[in-house]
Amino acid sequence: KNQVEQSPQSLIILEGKNCTLQCNYTVSPFSNLRWYKQDTGRGPVSLTIMTFSENTKSNGRYTATLDADTKQSSLHITASQLSDSASYICVVSSFNDMRFGAGTRLTVKP
Amino acid sequence: KAGVTQTPRYLIKTRGQQVTLSCSPISGHRSVSWYQQTPGQGLQFLFEYFSETQRNKGNFPGRFSGRQFSNSRSEMNVSTLELGDSALYLCASSLVSGEDTQYFGPGTRLTVL
Repeated sequence: KNQVEQSPQSLIILEGKNCTLQCNYTVSPFSNLRWYKQDTGRGPVSLTIMTFSENTKSNGRYTATLDADTKQSSLHITASQLSDSASYICVVSSFNDMRFGAGTRLTVKP
Repeated sequence: KAGVTQTPRYLIKTRGQQVTLSCSPISGHRSVSWYQQTPGQGLQFLFEYFSETQRNKGNFPGRFSGRQFSNSRSEMNVSTLELGDSALYLCASSLVSGEDTQYFGPGTRLTVL
């Protein structure tokens, strides 16, 4: 079983709408949690990094939350744009290990 | 500042051959990490180098190796290629630690026939 589970696997929304992506993990001990955006055919781009003591972090229209007690994180995208169409990957690091979620494929339609 | 560059961008090899991929980090970045991405397994961590030393290693066989040079450039080598090694190999650099913001290169697409 993957130690990082993302949901939904895929999501289609209309331009301008908000959406929330989920990441649940069992990785322990916990070091940090990152969200990446990956456009098709390109390398991932870092959106946020959160450590144990941080429960929310924003990067423009992207806001990530972390509940270290329940081992859950979410990525909220506000006022979606066509350019938000991409895969969003959650990565949870332990002190000498790194586990990746399978990603959520987001499609924003006009 | 120039971003992370990887060469070559595309590569076709046959089973049993070996391959060397190169990564040049962003100027001033000293940590370089390598990842393998496949449709079936997703992203997987290969290893991280800092100051010419391997600092962390993922769960890959010994056929996968790497090194880092004094100018922080890094290479990874895969020997005795297998069909399952076909993947996108991504390199990421960060200032000091893999816990800093990582900047990814465009990747090298390796196809093993």
